[in-house]
Amino acid sequence: DTGVSQDPRHKITKRGQNVTFRCDPISEHNRLYWYRQTLGQGPEFLTYFQNEAQLEKSRLLSDRFSAERPKGSFSTLEIQRTEQGDSAMYLCASSLLGGPGNTEAFFGQGTRLTVV
Amino acid sequence: AQSVTQLGSHVSVSEGALVLLRCNYSSSVPPYLFWYVQYPNQGLQLLLKYTSAATLVKGINGFEAEFKKSETSFHLTKPSAHMSDAAEYFCAVSEGTGANNLFFGTGTRLTVIP
Repeated sequence: DTGVSQDPRHKITKRGQNVTFRCDPISEHNRLYWYRQTLGQGPEFLTYFQNEAQLEKSRLLSDRFSAERPKGSFSTLEIQRTEQGDSAMYLCASSLLGGPGNTEAFFGQGTRLTVV
Repeated sequence: AQSVTQLGSHVSVSEGALVLLRCNYSSSVPPYLFWYVQYPNQGLQLLLKYTSAATLVKGINGFEAEFKKSETSFHLTKPSAHMSDAAEYFCAVSEGTGANNLFFGTGTRLTVIP
């Protein structure tokens, strides 16, 4: 397994357009996370799945954002009617469901979104 | 509520010199603490983690960090900087068992001067 992969690596879109990102986690990992990282900031949690169930959504995830993980494998993150404030790096991570402290999440290389 | 403060958004050291990156945390319960490294245009890679075992934690690439409860600190050190250490470093705190509970600091960019 080559780790978490994200596609595309870069996306430039016009304001108001919809965009969709894909994440393929490490194959045996049952948890998948989406984070957003803006310039000069650390990553911020958006949402996560355990298998196909979306268990938590951050308040950062506005109604324009939707994430799916239909078969408990890959996930997509869609942003509708993009705004310039959506410009950021979108990071995907995956992990096993483990015990206390076993929170090692493996991150993908991210999708950098630029809204013009 | 949990939070992380990384003192110094930019740190420069000479090659071969000591690396010290500072992290202070706030947590209402015994925390789990992490250091991640991010190279340009890359995702995050885990350097090391503290999970209530030994207070001195050794990680990859010669890095280590010491958990000091009395100082609420988890500073990252490396005895001798290498050019390949130049990157952004993030400290993170978690109160739970999943990465949904990870709260990251704003990062410290390390520059290594030849």
